[in-house]
Amino acid sequence: DIQMTQSPSSLSASVGDRVTITCQASQDISNYLNWYQQKPGKAPKLLIYDASNLETGVPSRFSGSGSGTDFTFTISSLQPEDIATYYCQQYDNLLPLFGQGTKLEIK
Amino acid sequence: QLQLQESGPGLVKPSETLSLTCTVSGGSISSSSYYWGWIRQPPGKGLEWIGSIYYSGSTYYNPSLKSRVTISVDTSKNQFSLKLSSVTAADTAVYYCARVVWTFMSFDYWGQGTLVTVSS
Repeated sequence: DIQMTQSPSSLSASVGDRVTITCQASQDISNYLNWYQQKPGKAPKLLIYDASNLETGVPSRFSGSGSGTDFTFTISSLQPEDIATYYCQQYDNLLPLFGQGTKLEIK
Repeated sequence: QLQLQESGPGLVKPSETLSLTCTVSGGSISSSSYYWGWIRQPPGKGLEWIGSIYYSGSTYYNPSLKSRVTISVDTSKNQFSLKLSSVTAADTAVYYCARVVWTFMSFDYWGQGTLVTVSS
């Protein structure tokens, strides 16, 4: 079974900072990775699909990169409304698996 | 605008069967490009995919839950449903239904979620 390791589990940053979250797969999953944002009490929201494609309507400060086993999610300039928990999700074997999540807080 | 809405009991007794329905509005559940899925989130924890279904009835389940899960679809009502048998306290969670973009296995539309508590 493919294992996903997302890091860090929590992160504190200042408004305007560049924020990076990583997700590592235990084996090659090509580009089969999506990223979600979840605000407290709300359903997750799809931000990035297929590793680097921005979902329609999502601000361009969000981006994703990587392939194979190592993936990165970046917020280029952190905004107060970006406070949330972020999840990666792989789908290499048609069985979706979410990462453990990264809780992002404002410093 | 596509909308999904979960419905069902908020309290289930241990050993009984949890049953939820997701009603899809603003679009057809019979669209060929999409599957429909269930995801859950225990309080304070991460997301766990439960399973997905195509309008034809084809299903995929999380292997860790497969023995207890049944997902079905009713295209005439634009609904799909989840049954989880032999529940325990560990099944207490917010249950979400979502649309699955099959090409990327991404969940692009979600219901608001419904909390199901397993307790006697």
